[in-house]
Amino acid sequence: DAKTTQPPSMDCAEGRAANLPCNHSTISGNEYVYWYRQIHSQGPQYIIHGLKNNETNEMASLIITEDRKSSTLILPHATLRDTAVYYCIVLMDSSYKLIFGSGTRLLVRP
Amino acid sequence: ETGVTQTPRHLVMGMTNKKSLKCEQHLGHNAMYWYKQSAKKPLELMFVYSLEERVENNSVPSRFSPECPNSSHLFLHLHTLQPEDSALYLCASSLTRTGQLSYGYTFGSGTRLTVV
Repeated sequence: DAKTTQPPSMDCAEGRAANLPCNHSTISGNEYVYWYRQIHSQGPQYIIHGLKNNETNEMASLIITEDRKSSTLILPHATLRDTAVYYCIVLMDSSYKLIFGSGTRLLVRP
Repeated sequence: ETGVTQTPRHLVMGMTNKKSLKCEQHLGHNAMYWYKQSAKKPLELMFVYSLEERVENNSVPSRFSPECPNSSHLFLHLHTLQPEDSALYLCASSLTRTGQLSYGYTFGSGTRLTVV
């Protein structure tokens, strides 16, 4: 599975959009981009995933570049409860192993 | 609640004790996983069970012994642990179809283990 690179930490103001980048330059054609988050001392929570098209759900939007080498998770109106570690993970649909990196620690400021 | 329930939430045990962690899911998932999260470290995948068969054991010491009696229950049996085994132990489940990750994982809230 392709490796990902994320900034170790970011912050944003409450009510503003939070844009979390992820580089996955070695991604292959059949690998998906998944995003999870982990609020302090809880289990990770699924947010969204995509292959090559942009995706949106009730939690967030996922923008994948045309060459698929990077993506951005967008929380449109961040709240204090969005403070968490966000993980970008790339894996094939045939894989059953979810392997976590260090993620991005997002702090939403009041 | 996520649909994956872990008990106990907190556990303190001595190095000579034997204890078990329990995980239960009623989501209709057919794969279950144990992860370990030590302080300030990424989650580490320990064991994978698919259709009640262990399909992965990531070089975990034998003092950790998993058991999956059916697709809804997963246990982690602990014996003669070391203080460095203190961590958050997370259980997850997923629905796989012929080995494919058809849906995202669902995690439990974890058991915070302290070995003294």
